[in-house]
Amino acid sequence: NAGVMQNPRHLVRRRGQEARLRCSPMKGHSHVYWYRQLPEEGLKFMVYLQKENIIDESGMPKERFSAEFPKEGPSILRIQQVVRGDSAAYFCASSPRGTGVEKLFFGSGTQLSVL
Amino acid sequence: AQSVTQPDIHITVSEGASLELRCNYSYGATPYLFWYVQSPGQGLQLLLKYFSGDTLVQGIKGFEAEFKRSQSSFNLRKPSVHWSDAAEYFCAVASSGAGSYQLTFGKGTKLSVIP
Repeated sequence: NAGVMQNPRHLVRRRGQEARLRCSPMKGHSHVYWYRQLPEEGLKFMVYLQKENIIDESGMPKERFSAEFPKEGPSILRIQQVVRGDSAAYFCASSPRGTGVEKLFFGSGTQLSVL
Repeated sequence: AQSVTQPDIHITVSEGASLELRCNYSYGATPYLFWYVQSPGQGLQLLLKYFSGDTLVQGIKGFEAEFKRSQSSFNLRKPSVHWSDAAEYFCAVASSGAGSYQLTFGKGTKLSVIP
């Protein structure tokens, strides 16, 4: 039973480019969460999605960031026109329906570096 | 709003010595409390969690934590540290109740172990 899979593990982008981060939840999990870890900081909640539905995006920056979790395929966190301040580790977590934090599993993260 | 404070940014202990990592939270009701460990380049691994019941919680790798409501604390302990315990440790809080899905993390405590 594979865990939460994130790819790529490392992503390097130049300023102004787009970054796409992928997250495949654990088998049987229908809820996905994205967190961002800035240097020297704890993880900060960004967005909570169910299949084809954004439940809570209160932690997402208002511009350039978007997330989706389509009916088929992984969840995608998209950052347009990246800036140096977007450099961070982005973690995805998943849970079964209705369990929330009680059964939350994290992936290994994607380290985004913006040059 | 809930918050988590981990007062110690960096702790160094000798192998075999005991360990206590401090965590204080701010939350109006009884929270859900968590400790996670993050090894370099890795994702978050859940060490233990407290939802209700016995205030002394046992976790993996020989760790335990005690919930003290009067002190708003959830300190992590281990009687004898191993070199492999060197990592960063994060305390997190969530609102209790069914459907709670958002974790609030502290900034972490980095643990170094001297052989």
